[in-house]
Amino acid sequence: QQQVKQSPQSLIVQKGGISIINCAYENTAFDYFPWYQQFPGKGPALLIAIRPDVSEKKEGRFTISFNKSAKQFSLHIMDSQPGDSATYFCAAPTRGTGRRALTFGSGTRLQVQP
Amino acid sequence: GAVVSQHPSRVICKSGTSVKIECRSLDFQATTMFWYRQFPKKSLMLMATSNEGSKATYEQGVEKDKFLINHASLTLSTLTVTSAHPEDSSFYICSARLREGLQSEQFFGPGTRLTVL
Repeated sequence: QQQVKQSPQSLIVQKGGISIINCAYENTAFDYFPWYQQFPGKGPALLIAIRPDVSEKKEGRFTISFNKSAKQFSLHIMDSQPGDSATYFCAAPTRGTGRRALTFGSGTRLQVQP
Repeated sequence: GAVVSQHPSRVICKSGTSVKIECRSLDFQATTMFWYRQFPKKSLMLMATSNEGSKATYEQGVEKDKFLINHASLTLSTLTVTSAHPEDSSFYICSARLREGLQSEQFFGPGTRLTVL
């Protein structure tokens, strides 16, 4: 059972544009929603995370928007740069895991064209 | 802070041999570490939860005798792939939680690329 559904699978954006990646979750008990950035051959790096008691969190050019009623959260990258080209994963705590591993979305490959 | 390292970064071995991968939290103690596996252009799949001082918890479908996990200290977990076969070739990534609690961040190591010939 897929617990976190991510879209789109790939995204091409022009430099300076806005990149938007969406995730939907099923388990309303989830209480932590991080986004990770991964470059080829590297481990994922925590980008930004949000708790469900807020609707938006912004850190620099990166913003998470959270819609609790729709069970969706999205990542917005403002003023996208070629250096942002990477694969982005949303995640949520794995259900039933007492130690709180993460279940990852399927990933979005972002390409920012100069 | 919150740095997680892995060693080796890349390993090539012959089929039938065993390979050990180390995961260390460099500047914090982690009672819980996690091991993930990632195939090319795919997402990360949780293999097991490594618990300091106790047995690891494996996900469904992961062979515990194949993938041995030892959480020897609060800063070190090891994954040993025993009797490796070409289908075990993958990118193995560990992570550690910065602290216990509901919303603690999870930090990942740089990964280990395993190629079994």
